[in-house]
Amino acid sequence: AQSVTQPDIHITVSEGASLELRCNYSYGATPYLFWYVQSPGQGLQLLLKYFSGDTLVQGIKGFEAEFKRSQSSFNLRKPSVHWSDAAEYFCAVLNDYKLSFGAGTTVTVRA
Amino acid sequence: DAGVIQSPRHEVTEMGQEVTLRCKPISGHNSLFWYRQTMMRGLELLIYFNNNVPIDDSGMPEDRFSAKMPNASFSTLKIQPSEPRDSAVYFCASSFQDRFSGNTIYFGEGSWLTVV
Repeated sequence: AQSVTQPDIHITVSEGASLELRCNYSYGATPYLFWYVQSPGQGLQLLLKYFSGDTLVQGIKGFEAEFKRSQSSFNLRKPSVHWSDAAEYFCAVLNDYKLSFGAGTTVTVRA
Repeated sequence: DAGVIQSPRHEVTEMGQEVTLRCKPISGHNSLFWYRQTMMRGLELLIYFNNNVPIDDSGMPEDRFSAKMPNASFSTLKIQPSEPRDSAVYFCASSFQDRFSGNTIYFGEGSWLTVV
C-alpha cells in the first residue's frame, strides 16, 4: 500500500535560515505528490504539487520541492525562512482519489 | 473565488448530543471528502463522494457517523450521539476529478469539535 513518511516530527530553524523538510513515499507508479501547510488553528493550505514533468516544482510563499524518483523523495525547501512560516507541514500522496498524509513536521522559527 | 466553506468553525457540545457539520464545496468540483484530524491518528479520510454519490465510506468510524450530499453544493456530516472521543478537527475538501487535472484537493478551514 502507498504511504508517506515524514522522518522529522519537529524542526527548529532561525529566521532567515534555510529550511528543508523531508518526505519519502512508497508507491508503485508515478505518484501525485503534494505539500500542505497548516498554521495554528487554521485549515490545510496547498503549497505545491507534483504530477509529472519538471521534477523541481515551485509553490506559494517561496517554497519549492524536488521529486527524486531514485530516492522516493519529495523534499520541501525554502531558502530563507520567515517567522510566519511557523506551522505544521504535511506531505501527501494521491492514490486514485484518496490522499494519504504523512504524520506532519512542525516547524518552529526562532528570532 | 470562494474556497471550501465549512460551518460551524468551532463547536462545543455535550456528550450524547447530535452534531451536524456542514460543507459547501468549490463550485464546479465533482468530488467531496470528509477528513478527520486527531493527534493520535493524524489526518484520515472518513468518506468520499463523487457526483454526490458516496463511493467510499470505509473510514466512517461507526454507525454514529453519517454523511449526506443532497446536491453538488452541499454536504453534511452528522454524529449522533456524540462522544468525547469524537473531539477532533473535521475537514471538508473538494476537487474536480478527471485524468487531466491531476485531482488537486482543496481543504476548508475545518470544524473544530469538542465533546464534553
